[in-house]
Order: sequence, then structure tokens, then C-alpha cells
Amino acid sequence: NAGVTQTPKFQVLKTGQSMTLQCAQDMNHEYMSWYRQDPGMGLRLIHYSVGAGITDQGEVPNGYNVSRSTTEDFPLRLLSAAPSQTSVYFCASSYRPNYEQYFGPGTRLTVT
Amino acid sequence: KNEVEQSPQNLTAQEGEFITINCSYSVGISALHWLQQHPGGGIVSLFMLSSGKKKHGRLIATINIQEKHSSLHITASHPRDSAVYICAVSRAGGGGADGLTFGKGTHLIIQP
Repeated sequence: NAGVTQTPKFQVLKTGQSMTLQCAQDMNHEYMSWYRQDPGMGLRLIHYSVGAGITDQGEVPNGYNVSRSTTEDFPLRLLSAAPSQTSVYFCASSYRPNYEQYFGPGTRLTVT
Repeated sequence: KNEVEQSPQNLTAQEGEFITINCSYSVGISALHWLQQHPGGGIVSLFMLSSGKKKHGRLIATINIQEKHSSLHITASHPRDSAVYICAVSRAGGGGADGLTFGKGTHLIIQP
């Protein structure tokens, strides 16, 4: 099993550009989530999904969009990148929301 | 006030020492997670617990639900234990679907 994979590992964007961060898991997990990690802030939830076709907002959803068309994939879209979105992004999955979480390796995004 | 507080924020110790990292939380929870993050690396789940105590190798995690407090202990610490240790909680109600709430982490350095 590859576990949770994320692409790209690094990305530099200019303000106003859009892009999609990819996340995939091969463990047949129903629950998937996106977090951002900023210095001194801890990880914060952006969006989550409890199954294919179902998504909801987390603590810091503004500027991000998600969809869940399959169990395996949970892409995160930045609609119009802003410097405040410079961060490290982690995707996580678990069998159920309260079960052990498996994290991807992270994507380091810089917006200039 | 943060809902999940960790102490200490930074800890430097000598190889072989017994390490304790503390986590206090102020919300009702269904589970508490201890996570490990090496510098520049991904996040790995160490423990998920809702009561009592769990042990894995040299790592021990305990939780006191009444006092809303958990501790992570490392026995016979080793330089490879140097990492950030993160406490996170799944809130009670909603089945944990609204993700984890994280502490800001404890930076642990074990010197040879």
C-alpha cells in the first residue's frame, strides 16, 4: 500500500494563480481531510469529507475548494492564491473520523 | 485560550533521560491522538486513546478523562526521538467528523 500520497511536494505560485493540490489514498478510507500548518499556529482543518460526494468546511475554508468524486481522491483547489496561503498542506485519511489518522507527506506552498 | 495546550513548548534532554510531554484540553473529546513530526518530514500517528494507558516500545501514553489531561512518556530517550510531538483531540459529538484540534507541538531534542 502506498498509504496517503500528495503531489506536488513543493510549489511556488504567483498571487492570483490557481492550482490543485492532489491527495490520494489506497486504504479504502471513508474519511479524508486537509490541514494547513503554519509556524506558531499548529495544524488547522481546511475541509473534510466523510465519503464520496460529501464534503464540509473546517476551521479555515476561505479561498479553498474541495470535491470528492471517488473514495480514493480528495483534491484541494486554491481558487486565487494569496500570500496568506503560504503554508505546508497535509492531507489525512482514516477509516472513520474517530479512528487513527494517516497523513500524507505534505505540500510546501509558497505564494509570492 | 487554545482548546489544546501542550507543555513544554521546547525540551532539550540528554540521551537516556526519561521524557514527559503534557497535554491539557478544555473540550469534551471522543479520542486523543499523539503524533510525531520529524524536521521537514511528515506526520505519523503514535497513539490514539480514549481512556487509560497505551504502550508501544519505549513510548507510553496516558490519559485522565476527568482531569482532561494526557501525558506522553519516552523511556531511555535516544537522539532519533528528536522531533515535534503533537497532541490532538477529536471532539465529542459529530463522531469526530469535524477533524482534529491540535496543540502547537513540543519540540524535543535529545543530545547524545
